[in-house]
Amino acid sequence: AQSVTQPDIHITVSEGASLELRCNYSYGATPYLFWYVQSPGQGLQLLLKYFSGDTLVQGIKGFEAEFKRSQSSFNLRKPSVHWSDAAEYFCAVGGMEYGNKLVFGAGTILRVKS
Amino acid sequence: GAVVSQHPSRVICKSGTSVKIECRSLDFQATTMFWYRQFPKQSLMLMATSNEGSKATYEQGVEKDKFLINHASLTLSTLTVTSAHPEDSSFYICSARTDGSNTGELFFGEGSRLTVL
Repeated sequence: AQSVTQPDIHITVSEGASLELRCNYSYGATPYLFWYVQSPGQGLQLLLKYFSGDTLVQGIKGFEAEFKRSQSSFNLRKPSVHWSDAAEYFCAVGGMEYGNKLVFGAGTILRVKS
Repeated sequence: GAVVSQHPSRVICKSGTSVKIECRSLDFQATTMFWYRQFPKQSLMLMATSNEGSKATYEQGVEKDKFLINHASLTLSTLTVTSAHPEDSSFYICSARTDGSNTGELFFGEGSRLTVL
């Protein structure tokens, strides 16, 4: 069965600093990988997704993620964090073998200090 | 993007009562919707897949008699928490795809926070 690990529960970065949120997955075949963002009390918004092709994926709000098959990772990055990026970020994995289901990581809470 | 709306956003009920949460796709038709549950400071756990016109598919460990799902139309799925107890208090989120593929974007509702007293 697929699984997702987000090793960092909380991360604090200064505004303007770079950001990297880690995500490792376990999946037997070619995974579909996603990053979502959730603001407090809100639903989830898709930041970006990877299905195939270029392993560096660009998303909304200046985020990008790189799929590294050898490391089973799909880390999320942003060159310069803004205070409005403070939220909780979820990595998720799905795939053809599991139909429409997505499995989510535990999430990483991002705090931005000014 | 497509819009998925949930109602109510917050509900407080007494133990033993039943609560219904609605999930609507506002500008598209969704043959499949998904119900997730999120405990405080935890991730989303898929509860069930709601299929229009047929029975929902529940994940292992989810009581289908307690969490009744009805997908009566292509734009509406409902989750009814029957005989709710305090341990059912949680944040329930629905989602839907605009197409039937495995790769289409999932759009999430705003979530419904259930508090059982």
